[in-house]
Amino acid sequence: AQSVTQLGSHVSVSEGALVLLRCNYSSSVPPYLFWYVQYPNQGLQLLLKYTTGATLVKGINGFEAEFKKSETSFHLTKPSAHMSDAAEYFCAVSINNNNDMRFGAGTRLTVKP
Amino acid sequence: NAGVTQTPKFRVLKTGQSMTLLCAQDMNHEYMYWYRQDPGMGLRLIHYSVGEGTTAKGEVPDGYNVSRLKKQNFLLGLESAAPSQTSVYFCASSYSGYQPQHFGDGTRLSIL
Repeated sequence: AQSVTQLGSHVSVSEGALVLLRCNYSSSVPPYLFWYVQYPNQGLQLLLKYTTGATLVKGINGFEAEFKKSETSFHLTKPSAHMSDAAEYFCAVSINNNNDMRFGAGTRLTVKP
Repeated sequence: NAGVTQTPKFRVLKTGQSMTLLCAQDMNHEYMYWYRQDPGMGLRLIHYSVGEGTTAKGEVPDGYNVSRLKKQNFLLGLESAAPSQTSVYFCASSYSGYQPQHFGDGTRLSIL
C-alpha cells in the first residue's frame, strides 16, 4: 500500500523567502502525486498534480513541485513567499485511481512579515 | 458556481444520537468521497462512491453508513454517535478516478 510522509508539521518563513515543503511517498508502482492547500475554515484546493511526463510541475500561485523517482520525493517550492501563502499544505498519492488516495498529515506554513 | 456544498456546517450531538450529513455537487461528477480530518492525521477516507447507487468502504468506515441515491448527492450517516467521531468531515467529488478531487468547506461535528 502507498503512504505519504510530510517532513515538518510546521514551517515558518519570512515574506520573500524561499518556501520548501517536503513530501516523500512509498509506492511499488508509479504514483499520481498531488499537492493541495487548505485555508482556514475551508476545504482543500488543488495546487498541482503529477501524473506522467515532465517531472517538474507548475501549479497555481507560483508554486511548483518536482517528482524525483530515485528519491521517492515530491517537494513543493515557491521562490518568494507571500503573506497570502499562509495555510496548511497536504501532499497526496494515488495509485491506479483516486479510490485509494492517501494524504500526508499536512504542513502548516507561517509567513512572517 | 456552487461546486461541492456540505450541510450542515456545524453540529453538536450527544453520545448515542444519530444524524446525516449531506453533500451535493453540481459538476456532474461520477465519483464522490467522504473524509474525516483530525489534527496531525491528514484526511482519512471513510466511504466513497463511483456512481449513482454504488458505495464502498474506505480506510475508516466503522460507525458510518452512506447512500448515493442520486448522482449529485452523497449522504453520510452516523447511527449512534460516539465522542471518537468528533472531527471535521469533508466531502469531495471528481470526474473519474484519475482526476483531482473538488472539496466542500467541511462540517464541524462535536460529539459530547
